[in-house]
Amino acid sequence: QVQLQQWGAGLLKPSETLSLTCAVYGGSFSNYFYSWIRQPPGKGLEWIGEISHSGSANYNPSLKSRVTISVDTSKKHFSLKVTSVTAADTAVYYCARENDDVSDWGQGTLVTVSS
Amino acid sequence: QSMLTQPPSASGTPGQRVSISCSGDNSNIGDNYVYWYQKLPGTAPKLLIYKNNQRPSGVPDRFSGSKSGTSASLAISGLRSEDEADYYCAAWDDNLSGQVFGGGTKLTVL
Repeated sequence: QVQLQQWGAGLLKPSETLSLTCAVYGGSFSNYFYSWIRQPPGKGLEWIGEISHSGSANYNPSLKSRVTISVDTSKKHFSLKVTSVTAADTAVYYCARENDDVSDWGQGTLVTVSS
Repeated sequence: QSMLTQPPSASGTPGQRVSISCSGDNSNIGDNYVYWYQKLPGTAPKLLIYKNNQRPSGVPDRFSGSKSGTSASLAISGLRSEDEADYYCAAWDDNLSGQVFGGGTKLTVL
């Protein structure tokens, strides 16, 4: 059974960089897209971006200038960096592995941006 | 602002059939597959429908999806109390070169 385990700092100050990593345990790492999605408090889901196992990435245009998603196939990890965070970046961040009928998610990480 | 439009709320009584709509345009729903997720508080989203109307293994056949033109819908038959959750539609958007979600629909089982 595939499990995704994510970790990273949960409390940031404005202008700092958000950094989260997601590890994939079990199953194949190839032929999937690896995504980051977030949910601000009381709001809906927002797609941040995705990366293929080969490293080809797509980003939400509204976040593209501040976001980098990377993948390390040797470790079966993928990561998210968001620079210059503000209070608007406060959200639960999820990592996910998807391909058609496969949709495996991490446990979610609450990231709070506050001075 | 969501690119896909869902009603903010829906409701039904146990055993009823409810339907949740998702409206987009030719750059997303009109040209790409629609996916539906169930989100319970404090848990990660769960995929209910992929490629418009396909159910992943383990999803009950009470859940069904359909698509017509630039709109899609999720139907839940034989409504149960455990179906009370938020439901999101999603699709790739060709103009944005990214995935877009609907704003979510909160389903209440009365």
